Amino acid sequence: EPEVTQTPSHQVTQMGQEVILRCVPISNHLYFYWYRQILGQKVEFLVSFYNNEISEKSEIFDDQFSVERPDGSNFTLKIRSTKLEDSAMYFCASSEGTISSTDTQYFGPGTRLTVL
Amino acid sequence: AQKVTQAQTEISVVEKEDVTLDCVYETRDTTYYLFWYKQPPSGELVFLIRRNSFDEQNEISGRYSWNFQKSTSSFNFTITASQVVDSAVYFCALSCNQAGTALIFGKGTTLSVSS
Repeated sequence: EPEVTQTPSHQVTQMGQEVILRCVPISNHLYFYWYRQILGQKVEFLVSFYNNEISEKSEIFDDQFSVERPDGSNFTLKIRSTKLEDSAMYFCASSEGTISSTDTQYFGPGTRLTVL
Repeated sequence: AQKVTQAQTEISVVEKEDVTLDCVYETRDTTYYLFWYKQPPSGELVFLIRRNSFDEQNEISGRYSWNFQKSTSSFNFTITASQVVDSAVYFCALSCNQAGTALIFGKGTTLSVSS
């Protein structure tokens, strides 16, 4: 069964460093998403991406964040200058993007980002 | 604004007990979708069910069943004859009727099933 994959599973970085989180969405899916979950809290939407453009973004997704589809398979989230409060689990998701209705978002296993 | 409330923070049951997880939502949209996801201790988010606002039929899948009541804006999830493997955090989520839009999650209910 096709699944979303994410690398690395755990990333440790120093405050102020740039990090890139990588995701490979399900191959025939057209919409891609990033969410984050601070430890013990709810899952929060960051951004959605379609046709090489941001489709929707939340207030959390400020200028420190960017997303990119650098090739036909990868989807990345970059945090330019990490802060302590960026420590969280980051989930990538993808969906088919059917025309008629909202479709189901399937999530990857997550990348745990720890900022020291 | 859209909002999902899962009032039960933690529930503990003994194996074989039935348990219901509550979910109440708020939206101004007339067409919307509701979801349940499971987050086991390993951390991934596993899709369980999607329900659109036009379909109020209850759904059963094995030991899982879902009760959608538009009149009370609720989408409750029942696990029958719970098992230890059901121990996880369960999230209810809401989205509007458009691909690519955000899922709005509740805070989750932690279910602990002991043997």
